[in-house]
Amino acid sequence: DTGVSQDPRHKITKRGQNVTFRCDPISEHNRLYWYRQTLGQGPEFLTYFQNEAQLEKSRLLSDRFSAERPKGSFSTLEIQRTEQGDSAMYLCASSGDRGNEKLFFGSGTQLSVL
Amino acid sequence: AQSVAQPEDQVNVAEGNPLTVKCTYSVSGNPYLFWYVQYPNRGLQFLLKYITGDNLVKGSYGFEAEFNKSQTSFHLKKPSALVSDSALYFCAVRAGNDYKLSFGAGTTVTVRA
Repeated sequence: DTGVSQDPRHKITKRGQNVTFRCDPISEHNRLYWYRQTLGQGPEFLTYFQNEAQLEKSRLLSDRFSAERPKGSFSTLEIQRTEQGDSAMYLCASSGDRGNEKLFFGSGTQLSVL
Repeated sequence: AQSVAQPEDQVNVAEGNPLTVKCTYSVSGNPYLFWYVQYPNRGLQFLLKYITGDNLVKGSYGFEAEFNKSQTSFHLKKPSALVSDSALYFCAVRAGNDYKLSFGAGTTVTVRA
C-alpha cells in the first residue's frame, strides 16, 4: 500500500490557461473520488468513479471541468479556461468496494490561478 | 441531501485536559459517520467511523466518538489532549446507500502546553 499519489503538488497558472492534475489511487481500490477544498471549508465532492465509469458529477463541476479514469487505474482532472475562482486544493481519494469503507486521501494539488 | 455542521470554528484546550469537537449531521436513512484529521501540508487522515453497533467508537491516537441518534450528533472526544493533537478536524457523513462523503467546514483544535 503506497497510498494515494497526486501530481503536481502545486500548480500556478494564468487565467484562461488549461491545467491537468493526475491521481494514482491505491492499486486495489475500485472507487475514486475528486474533492475540492478552499480555505476555511471542508472538502466538497466533485465526481466519483467506479472502475472506469464516472457515476456522478456534482453541480460544482461546470463544463470547463472534465475527469477521466481510463482502464480504471489512474485518473486525471482537467480544468479548461481557468478562472480565479478555481483556485483551491484539489483532493483525490480512493476506497474499496464495501459500502462502509473509509476513503484514503492524497496530499492534494494546490491550484493558484493568477 | 446530507449535511454536516461543526458549530465551532476553533477549540482551544490545555494539554492534559479533555478535548471535545462537536458534530451534528443530517441524512436520509442510516448514517455512516467519519472523523478525519488534517495536518498542515498533508492529506486528510482517517481517525474513526461509525457504521452500526456500539454507539461509542474508538479510533486512532486515543480518540473516540459517541453516536447519538436522537440528537443526530457524533462528537469527537479525547480524555487527555496532547500538543501534537493540534490540527484541523473534519466530521463527515454519508447515507448507507450512497457513496460520497459530505464534510463539515472543519474545527481547528489548538492544544497549548
